[in-house]
Amino acid sequence: DTAVSQTPKYLVTQMGNDKSIKCEQNLGHDTMYWYKQDSKKFLKIMFSYNNKELIINETVPNRFSPKSPDKAHLNLHINSLELGDSAVYFCASSLAGQNEKLFFGSGTQLSVL
Amino acid sequence: AQTVTQSQPEMSVQEAETVTLSCTYDTSESDYYLFWYKQPPSRQMILVIRQEAYKQQNATENRFSVNFQKAAKSFSLKISDSQLGDAAMYFCAYKGANFGNEKLTFGTGTRLTIIP
Repeated sequence: DTAVSQTPKYLVTQMGNDKSIKCEQNLGHDTMYWYKQDSKKFLKIMFSYNNKELIINETVPNRFSPKSPDKAHLNLHINSLELGDSAVYFCASSLAGQNEKLFFGSGTQLSVL
Repeated sequence: AQTVTQSQPEMSVQEAETVTLSCTYDTSESDYYLFWYKQPPSRQMILVIRQEAYKQQNATENRFSVNFQKAAKSFSLKISDSQLGDAAMYFCAYKGANFGNEKLTFGTGTRLTIIP
C-alpha cells in the first residue's frame, strides 16, 4: 500500500495547456505539501495545507492553484503551462508536529513542450 | 529566511569506506529540526536521519550518523561501511519549529557515487 500516491507519474503536454496532478495519502496525516524539483535537482516548497487550510504559499505564480477537498487529498492544477514549469513535482505529507518527518510521493515528471 | 548550503555537489567513496557529506545552515531560530534525505535514481525521497536542535547528542541510524555543531550551524552526515545501495543524491534540510513554518528548506544536494 503506497503511503503517498501521486498521479500521473509522467505528464507531457504542450505550452498553454491546463493540467492537474493528484495526490492522496493514507497515513492519516493532517498536513500536505507540494514541492518542485528543478532540472538541477533543487527542491523548493510551493504550498502547504493543514486540515484543508492553506498555511504556506511561497512565491508561486497564480497559474498554480492547489485544492484540498479533504485532508487526505491535495491536488495541484496548473493553468497556461509554460516551458519553465517543466520539473518534477513532489507531494508530501506529515503529522503536524514540528519534528515529524515528511513522507514523499514518488513525484510527477512534467515536461512542457 | 533560513538557508541551507551543501558545498559539495559531488562526492565519491570506495565501497566499505567512510564518507562525510557537509551541510551548513543559517537561521535566527533557536529551536528547529534538521534532516538528511536520500534520493536514489528511482526519484523517491527517503529519510535517512533527523536531529532535534535542542538535543546535544548526535543522532545515529545504523551506518549513518551526524555531527551536529549548533554554534557553527553545521550538520554533516557520515556514512560508514559504504555500500553500493548508498549511491544517491543526498539532501540536507531544515525545518522550523514555529507553527506556519513547518516546511522543509533543502540544500542543493550532494551526488554520492560508490566505487566498487
